[in-house]
Amino acid sequence: ETGVTQSPTHLIKTRGQQVTLRCSSQSGHNTVSWYQQALGQGPQFIFQYYREEENGRGNFPPRFSGLQFPNYSSELNVNALELDDSALYLCASRDTLSETQYFGPGTRLLVL
Amino acid sequence: AQTVTQSQPEMSVQEAETVTLSCTYDTSESNYYLFWYKQPPSRQMILVIRQEAYKQQNATENRFSVNFQKAAKSFSLKISDSQLGDTAMYFCAFIISNFGNEKLTFGTGTRLTIIP
Repeated sequence: ETGVTQSPTHLIKTRGQQVTLRCSSQSGHNTVSWYQQALGQGPQFIFQYYREEENGRGNFPPRFSGLQFPNYSSELNVNALELDDSALYLCASRDTLSETQYFGPGTRLLVL
Repeated sequence: AQTVTQSQPEMSVQEAETVTLSCTYDTSESNYYLFWYKQPPSRQMILVIRQEAYKQQNATENRFSVNFQKAAKSFSLKISDSQLGDTAMYFCAFIISNFGNEKLTFGTGTRLTIIP
């Protein structure tokens, strides 16, 4: 158990719709990162939030956006869903002392 | 560009044997951290072991140890006395220690199967 939780566990959407995924960080961690893991691949960095501001972004289009709240929980929003957005979405909270990221169980998104 | 290469897509060993998973990486930075994560079929990404690049001593965690060769940019994972619960995908990853944008860069993974 990492203390990082994500909801929902699974989600099915259709192309063009919008989706919001949620994450609660481990207690004491003020930095959260989101990753996309396509089937059979390693996770790819989407973006990172620190104290409610985005402070790093991977190679993902603007329709991927996020929020971090004062309690350090976070949301990932994806607009105009495409078939290729089907993946496992992982949230990780970061221990700044050890530079270690602890992952939640993920949300499996299927876009039809 | 920062990259991680895991050259063994799949491996299998008998229970109780020792297995070594390979990983090489590329970065021009000097201050970074290396990790092995395990992802069983349940999907949860679990930290196995971490190594600070500035430390020459190899990290160990119970049955898990690493062979860190900084000059060669190599970071292999050794699992001793393998157990059925070790069956999982194993990902090698590193992070640059920098303020902001501390993203993990992952390899493509090695699927490890422990045979009873």
